Amino acid sequence: AQSVSQHNHHVILSEAASLELGCNYSYGGTVNLFWYVQYPGQHLQLLLKYFSGDPLVKGIKGFEAEFIKSKFSFNLRKPSVQWSDTAEYFCAVSPNTNAGKSTFGDGTTLTVKP
Amino acid sequence: EPEVTQTPSHQVTQMGQEVILRCVPISNHLYFYWYRQILGQKVEFLVSFYNNEISEKSEIFDDQFSVERPDGSNFTLKIRSTKLEDSAMYFCAAAGRLNTEAFFGQGTRLTVV
Repeated sequence: AQSVSQHNHHVILSEAASLELGCNYSYGGTVNLFWYVQYPGQHLQLLLKYFSGDPLVKGIKGFEAEFIKSKFSFNLRKPSVQWSDTAEYFCAVSPNTNAGKSTFGDGTTLTVKP
Repeated sequence: EPEVTQTPSHQVTQMGQEVILRCVPISNHLYFYWYRQILGQKVEFLVSFYNNEISEKSEIFDDQFSVERPDGSNFTLKIRSTKLEDSAMYFCAAAGRLNTEAFFGQGTRLTVV
């Protein structure tokens, strides 16, 4: 069975600080990896995804993530956060041919102070 | 990006009542999924549906739940007799032939009172 672990439950940063959210997964086969953002009261939005190729993936809103296969990690980064980045962030993994059978991490709440 | 549409956006129902949540997937998508997110918790897989039958379901998806695609477009989740603990956000997702990426709907917030 696949599992996803997000290390940080709640992160508080000041504007312009750099962000890194940890995500580790466990799965025996080839996976697709995703980061989603959920703004307060809103639905899930896809930030970025990794299927194959360049392990450094760039997404929307200045976010990027790096897939390190040897560490089973897919950490999310942003060089300089903004107040509008305040949201819940979910890492998810799915088998590469069963996209909807995603397993989500517990989520990380990011609070950015102006 | 193509949209998966869910209706209603918010539904309030009394305990014991039946509810049907609707999802209109992207046309030509073949794989369909329902997820649930209880307030403050993570998103949990409920069920996957392909070729007009359930292909996989989680332990959450008990006999109170059912899914169908009655008219070849809408994909519905029915909860037969709602309980307070069914209050959650329910997300529909759909994927295409290769099933490599699922597109999520905006969710239906179900409140059972």
